[in-house]
Amino acid sequence: DTGVSQDPRHKITKRGQNVTFRCDPISEHNRLYWYRQTLGQGPEFLTYFQNEAQLEKSRLLSDRFSAERPKGSFSTLEIQRTEQGDSAMYLCASSPGGGSYQETQYFGPGTRLLVL
Amino acid sequence: QKEVEQNSGPLSVPEGAIASLNCTYSDRGSQSFFWYRQYSGKSPELIMSIYSNGDKEDGRFTAQLNKASQYVSLLIRDSQPSDSATYLCAVNNTGFQKLVFGTGTRLLVSP
Repeated sequence: DTGVSQDPRHKITKRGQNVTFRCDPISEHNRLYWYRQTLGQGPEFLTYFQNEAQLEKSRLLSDRFSAERPKGSFSTLEIQRTEQGDSAMYLCASSPGGGSYQETQYFGPGTRLLVL
Repeated sequence: QKEVEQNSGPLSVPEGAIASLNCTYSDRGSQSFFWYRQYSGKSPELIMSIYSNGDKEDGRFTAQLNKASQYVSLLIRDSQPSDSATYLCAVNNTGFQKLVFGTGTRLLVSP
């Protein structure tokens, strides 16, 4: 399977703990995106990378959130001092990054986070 | 006003019927439009993309776009129980890479 992969698939943590999620995009996809989805809502954009450069961050991404994509391959999303409001599905997507606006984003299976 | 609006449903149709899902968007600069299907507990899966005014057909699915009315729709012909899912409309603006999603319409196809 050469789709987008995410790890872990589920994470339960206590409030105040730090968590880190990993995303491996489709091979040779230059663009990588992070979204967050809560129950009954559509995914909300958090941030995106073009290769290793983080080009856009949503205002949803507070100082407790940080994302990296070293070497332009996999990406990590870290949440520090988790809060109960961080409980959500964290989705990663990737796209080829050829410059056209006609790009399809392909989603990974998501990481479901529950903060107790 | 939300950027992308969808009726949350549920939209209930009998098996074999046509399901019509609608979406409106507020940003006139939007250039790319996508329909994703999402089963409960799963991630979004691309169904259709459309970029130009008019209809685009792919199997049982037809996407329709009217940029003047800022309206995009998805028709599902010969609906099957396996089509029961939430359908997310997503919009992309030229120059911005993020997708803006609606809240999704839940479709229920009864046997």
